[in-house]
This record gives sequence, C-alpha cells and structure tokens, in this order.
Amino acid sequence: DAGVIQSPRHEVTEMGQEVTLRCKPISGHDYLFWYRQTMMRGLELLIYFNNNVPIDDSGMPEDRFSAKMPNASFSTLKIQPSEPRDSAVYFCASTWDHTGELFFGEGSRLTVL
Amino acid sequence: AQSVAQPEDQVNVAEGNPLTVKCTYSVSGNPYLFWYVQYPNRGLQFLLKYITGDNLVKGSYGFEAEFNKSQTSFHLKKPSALVSDSALYFCAVRGMNTGFQKLVFGTGTRLLVSP
Repeated sequence: DAGVIQSPRHEVTEMGQEVTLRCKPISGHDYLFWYRQTMMRGLELLIYFNNNVPIDDSGMPEDRFSAKMPNASFSTLKIQPSEPRDSAVYFCASTWDHTGELFFGEGSRLTVL
Repeated sequence: AQSVAQPEDQVNVAEGNPLTVKCTYSVSGNPYLFWYVQYPNRGLQFLLKYITGDNLVKGSYGFEAEFNKSQTSFHLKKPSALVSDSALYFCAVRGMNTGFQKLVFGTGTRLLVSP
C-alpha cells in the first residue's frame, strides 16, 4: 500500500500567485481530510469529504481557499490568491475508520514570499 | 467544546528508562482518544486509540496508553525508551457522538531520548 500521496512536497511561490496542492488517498478509504499545520496554530482541520462530498468546510480560512474531490482517488486544495500568512505545511489524510484513526500523507510545505 | 491539553512542551528521558507523555481532555459524553507521532518532515502516524473497553490500550512500537475517566487523562507510556522514539507526539480527542470536525489535536509534546 503506497499510503496517502501528496504533491508537491515543497512549493515556494510569490504573493498573489495561485497554488494547487494535490492528494491521492488510500484506495478504499471513503473519508478525506485537509489539515494545515503551523507553529502558531498547531494542526487545524480545513475541510473533509465523505464519499467525495464535502461534509464540513468551516475550517477553510476564507474564500481564497477552495477544495474539490472530483473522484474517490483525487483531491485538490487551491489557494488563490496566495498570501504570506498561508505559509504552512498542508496535510491530506484519509480513512475508512469512523472513529478518528487517520492516515496522513507526508505533507506539502508551502512558502509564500 | 472539546479540548485536549498536553502540559509538557518537551519530555527528556534516557534510553532504557520508562517514558510518559501526558494528555488530559475535555469532552461531552464518552470520548474517542488517540495518540499520533510525527517524525521530522513527515506526516502524523497513528499509534493507538481508545474507543471503549479495557482502559489499557496497546499500540505500535511498544507504546501503550491508559484511559482514566475520573482524571480525564490518556497518558502515553513505554516501559523502555529508544533513541529512535525521539519525535513529536500528539494527543487527540473526539466525542463519540460528534463528527470529524470535532476531532481536536493537542499542541504536541516533543520527546527527546538521549543515548
């Protein structure tokens, strides 16, 4: 099992640019999560999907952030336009377990200059 | 509102000694409790969970945790620490009758095991 696959692992961009982060969940998992990790705020849930449908996006910071899951094997998190305060590590996670046992990807480290 | 507290930013222990990483929680109703570990530049890895039943839960890499309802604690333990256990450890809690948006992670405790 390849685990949750995220790309890119590192992204450096300039303020105002569009950023797209990608995630391939583990096959057979019906939940997909996007988290953001920063030193100041720790680990924050941005949005999660169940069977490709967004269930809760209350953690999405603002309209500049959007997430999609067009099929069971792919999801994107888009930031447009990006700002320096968006600099963080973004994690995708998936699971079949309904309690909270999540499988995390390696993360995408975003730096916005 | 659900919350979890990890009172220690860092725990230092010598290799071969027992280790404890503390976690207390607040939740309405019965909790689901979790421990995750994060190595540098990696994602979080699930270690163990408490759902119901035996208060002592055994997990990966020789770790275990004890659920204490009266003290609302879920401390992570290992009888004999290894240098390779050095990492960042996160406790997480979610109420049984709540959705995934209510899964709350602690701020993390850095474990340093010295040779």
